[in-house]
Amino acid sequence: AQSVTQLDSHVSVSEGTPVLLRCNYSSSYSPSLFWYVQHPNKGLQLLLKYTSAATLVKGINGFEAEFKKSETSFHLTKPSAHMSDAAEYFCVVSEAQGAGGTSYGKLTFGQGTILTVHP
Amino acid sequence: ETGVTQTPRHLVMGMTNKKSLKCEQHLGHNAMYWYKQSAKKPLELMFVYNFKEQTENNSVPSRFSPECPNSSHLFLHLHTLQPEDSALYLCASSQTGLGSPLHFGNGTRLTVT
Repeated sequence: AQSVTQLDSHVSVSEGTPVLLRCNYSSSYSPSLFWYVQHPNKGLQLLLKYTSAATLVKGINGFEAEFKKSETSFHLTKPSAHMSDAAEYFCVVSEAQGAGGTSYGKLTFGQGTILTVHP
Repeated sequence: ETGVTQTPRHLVMGMTNKKSLKCEQHLGHNAMYWYKQSAKKPLELMFVYNFKEQTENNSVPSRFSPECPNSSHLFLHLHTLQPEDSALYLCASSQTGLGSPLHFGNGTRLTVT
């Protein structure tokens, strides 16, 4: 069984300072991992994904995440926060369901981290 | 434009009404999903359709009835709902294969009075 834990329910930073959103996962197999962002009254937008290639993954809007198997972590970072980054962020682990060409990802979502950015 | 379109964006219905939520994707994906997002709770997977066949029903009450006529369209039929069913209902789609991310619509905000 797979699970994901986001270690902080709320993170508050000042504009221009670094962002760190922490995520630990548990998976029986080699997982795929994602970070999604949700702005108010919107759906979820994919920020980045890890699928067993490079362990440092770059995403949109300057975000990146590092897959650390030994620590079972997939923390999301950004060097300098912008006001538009204020949103809720979800760490997601996926394992394939089905077989061969008909398999699809069964996602397990973390509880979410609300990021607040102060001027 | 997300590639996944949900209508309506907002819906208010009484407990005795019947309504339907619609989802359409133009991404050529073969898997479609319904999720429920309630305040202070993780996203809950409700249903999965893969190549038009239902492959997941996550113990959803029968007052929610999904329909997937083809790989591009997904419906959620609602009847005799309860106030606790008020939530944001999100539709998503994905390609087949390990590691394929989900693409989400903007959701339908449902209020049951």
